[in-house]
Amino acid sequence: QKEVEQNSGPLSVPEGAIASLNCTYSDRVSQSFFWYRQYSGKSPELIMSIYSNGDKEDGRFTAQLNKASQYVSLLIRDSQPSDSATYLCAVMPRVGNEKLTFGTGTRLTIIP
Amino acid sequence: NAGVTQTPKFQVLKTGQSMTLQCAQDMNHNSMYWYRQDPGMGLRLIYYSASEGTTDKGEVPNGYNVSRLNKREFSLRLESAAPSQTSVYFCASSPPGDTDTQYFGPGTRLTVL
Repeated sequence: QKEVEQNSGPLSVPEGAIASLNCTYSDRVSQSFFWYRQYSGKSPELIMSIYSNGDKEDGRFTAQLNKASQYVSLLIRDSQPSDSATYLCAVMPRVGNEKLTFGTGTRLTIIP
Repeated sequence: NAGVTQTPKFQVLKTGQSMTLQCAQDMNHNSMYWYRQDPGMGLRLIYYSASEGTTDKGEVPNGYNVSRLNKREFSLRLESAAPSQTSVYFCASSPPGDTDTQYFGPGTRLTVL
């Protein structure tokens, strides 16, 4: 079983709609959770981090964490063509542990 | 402020050849990392360095060595390249007191024939 699992997609969403990306993790003691965005041929870029159960909002992005279900999600509201990218979920066992475990990523395409 | 830089951008090696991938950051970060990214496998940590003079193994260290030359530079060496090491290699760094935030370099695309 992979430590961090994501649906590889591709996920196609119409422009202006909500894109929902999901991630599950196997290590129950994990404390820190991250979403990175990676454009084709480019390097990953951190867009959201979340540490506590519930929702965290930043502009059009909302990260959701449910530690009991070992589930992290990313919602992108009012999706734009510029949101088309691969989204990587990453998990760290403890805050400041430094060893990130990444999922394989979900490729998102926003259809104009 | 160039951030994290990596050289070279592209490299083709023959099996058995050696090479060093260079990484430097100008953000005064303490921690630096080397990852490889393969299709269907995601990003995997090879080695990391929490500070100058220290290095630790990550998930896939076999076949690689690293050197933290100083605070700015963290190099990755392949002593005897194998086709299984064909990958995209990313270097990253994180600021002191915020190791949760990692800034990635542009990557090196390596092909081993």
